[in-house]
Amino acid sequence: QSVLTQPPSASGTPGQRVTIPCSGSSSNIGENSVNWYQQVPGTAPKLLMYSNNQRPSGVPDRFSGSKSGTSASLAISGLQSEDEADYYCATWDDSLNGDVVFGGGTKLTVL
Amino acid sequence: ELQLVESGGNLVQPGGSLRLSCAASGFTFSSYDMYWVRQAPGKGLEWVSSIDTDGDTLYPGSVKGRFTISRDDAKSSLYLQMNSLRAGDTAVYYCARGNSIRGGSMDLWGQGTTVTVSS
Repeated sequence: QSVLTQPPSASGTPGQRVTIPCSGSSSNIGENSVNWYQQVPGTAPKLLMYSNNQRPSGVPDRFSGSKSGTSASLAISGLQSEDEADYYCATWDDSLNGDVVFGGGTKLTVL
Repeated sequence: ELQLVESGGNLVQPGGSLRLSCAASGFTFSSYDMYWVRQAPGKGLEWVSSIDTDGDTLYPGSVKGRFTISRDDAKSSLYLQMNSLRAGDTAVYYCARGNSIRGGSMDLWGQGTTVTVSS
């Protein structure tokens, strides 16, 4: 059971907007910034979003992130077939000596 | 080219040991914190260990006392010594670079190396 909670699955049709939530607590998301990783099946994870809402170079602006209180979310607008992947949120947990904690992951299906 | 390349994964019996390596290239290795993250078959990502630029280390309870992370800045290499291996340690192990400028995120990942613990 993960410290950060994500829905196991999400879906949308091409062109739609999809949001993936990540719920935590005051000791993790409430105190630290959130990062998001994208993992296409069979490949290594890739950094998608850092410091809640910052996109690394090369990540399309269709992807956006936000954080409020003890929750964060990743939004994907103009959904494309290549967005089909697993998405993980991550941060640090101050109650666990600064351990890195991941969400359980959300499998996004583009219908 | 920025690159992390893991090696050392293998089939090992329960109770056995294994040492993973991660060779870094294309950046100043000594300037970055480094991580090991694993992914069990069909499961999500799990942080395994961290080492900062001063050599200070962190581990989750699941591996503390059994795994040891280390680095050799002269060789631009990261290591993970795994002892007393259990079936639950079976996973793909990734090394990743931590970037303090990017909020401490893991901004570069290797392709992974597979560890299978089974008799």
